[in-house]
Amino acid sequence: GDSVTQMEGPVTLSEEAFLTINCTYTATGYPSLFWYVQYPGEGLQLLLKATKADDKGSNKGFEATYRKETTSFHLEKGSVQVSDSAVYFCALPSNSSASKIIFGSGTRLSIRP
Amino acid sequence: NAGVTQTPKFRVLKTGQSMTLLCAQDMNHEYMYWYRQDPGMGLRLIHYSVGEGTTAKGEVPDGYNVSRLKKQNFLLGLESAAPSQTSVYFCASQQVTSTDTQYFGPGTRLTVL
Repeated sequence: GDSVTQMEGPVTLSEEAFLTINCTYTATGYPSLFWYVQYPGEGLQLLLKATKADDKGSNKGFEATYRKETTSFHLEKGSVQVSDSAVYFCALPSNSSASKIIFGSGTRLSIRP
Repeated sequence: NAGVTQTPKFRVLKTGQSMTLLCAQDMNHEYMYWYRQDPGMGLRLIHYSVGEGTTAKGEVPDGYNVSRLKKQNFLLGLESAAPSQTSVYFCASQQVTSTDTQYFGPGTRLTVL
């Protein structure tokens, strides 16, 4: 069935470092792809999305490009801040009814001042 | 507009006790979901509802029951709590017409001793 695999954490970086969090997927067809973010003590919220191949989603300085040929949707940011410390989830819609979403296991990111 | 709210925020139960978690949304969303989040396992879907009066099983439904008597509320019940149900529980809601964005509550941290 459909699935998402993302790099395991935790990832610890210094402020202003470059960030990449890898995500690959297995799916029937070409579903939309998402990154959700969970800040400490909060629920998940949508960070960005891409709806078709070669689309680039972006928000808050984060970017991810939908790569059909490598079935990937890696999350990147050029210069991270302490406020980016959170858990990041790659996700895609389930190939079923009720708009269910399949989440990856999450990657915890910590940024040192 | 409060979005998705959950009560309580924290709860400690003894094995065998029962409790109900309440989720409320004020966005008039048709779909609602209950997830549990455990370390290293991402989010797992417990039960979901595609409308008032309807519920369905998700990935890990055993030991839980749900009810959706009103469109805005989705209740998750534990009839006889077990230590394996120690987790953080998240409720989410979604528009019928949207294929991506689920809106999450802040979570309930449950400990079963």
